[in-house]
Amino acid sequence: AQKVTQAQTEISVVEKEDVTLDCVYETRDTTYYLFWYKQPPSGELVFLIRRNSFDEQNEISGRYSWNFQKSTSSFNFTITASQVVDSAVYFCALSERDNYGQNFVFGPGTRLSVLP
Amino acid sequence: GAGVSQSPRYKVAKRGQDVALRCDPISGHVSLFWYQQALGQGPEFLTYFQNEAQLDKSGLPSDRFFAERPEGSVSTLKIQRTQQEDSAVYLCASRGDAASGRWNTGELFFGEGSRLTVL
Repeated sequence: AQKVTQAQTEISVVEKEDVTLDCVYETRDTTYYLFWYKQPPSGELVFLIRRNSFDEQNEISGRYSWNFQKSTSSFNFTITASQVVDSAVYFCALSERDNYGQNFVFGPGTRLSVLP
Repeated sequence: GAGVSQSPRYKVAKRGQDVALRCDPISGHVSLFWYQQALGQGPEFLTYFQNEAQLDKSGLPSDRFFAERPEGSVSTLKIQRTQQEDSAVYLCASRGDAASGRWNTGELFFGEGSRLTVL
């Protein structure tokens, strides 16, 4: 069984603040992939990052960074110097090996509001 | 096409009507997924196709839901005798996979969704 938990339902910050979105996952597999997606008001889910279970290096992409810690089963996402355009719902997702390789499970999402 | 295209974007149906939602995936993408997203929730898996084969339909909530992808490209999700609890956004995603039978690890590309409201 897999499970993805995003404990923060909603977060509000003021522009230029840093914000971290938490993601905790459950899996019995040793090989898996983790993802973050952004869903702006238009509704389309936009891919942000993919990380495999063997690569625990943190990753930075512009104002975005990701902290993957297998020891705590967490894959947290930080936005530095947030901007109004970052306002969206963010989903963490887990892909685990199964018979058909189609297993892709999303967390409940965190709604981020960045206020001017 | 350049991205995943879904139609209609918005559909209002009276309870008991049948609806059909269309998904046109990225050209050449082998895998196609349907998800249901209720208001304020994350996407919930409905069904998965690899080419024209429906390999997993474990997420379909009832036998009123039916999906097909007869030629391995465009897919249709049909909901018969709609109920109010069917109101949600239905998301389609595709993925450019390698050979079948392998665990494919790429990201999913999503369409904008079809918002269904059942009155």
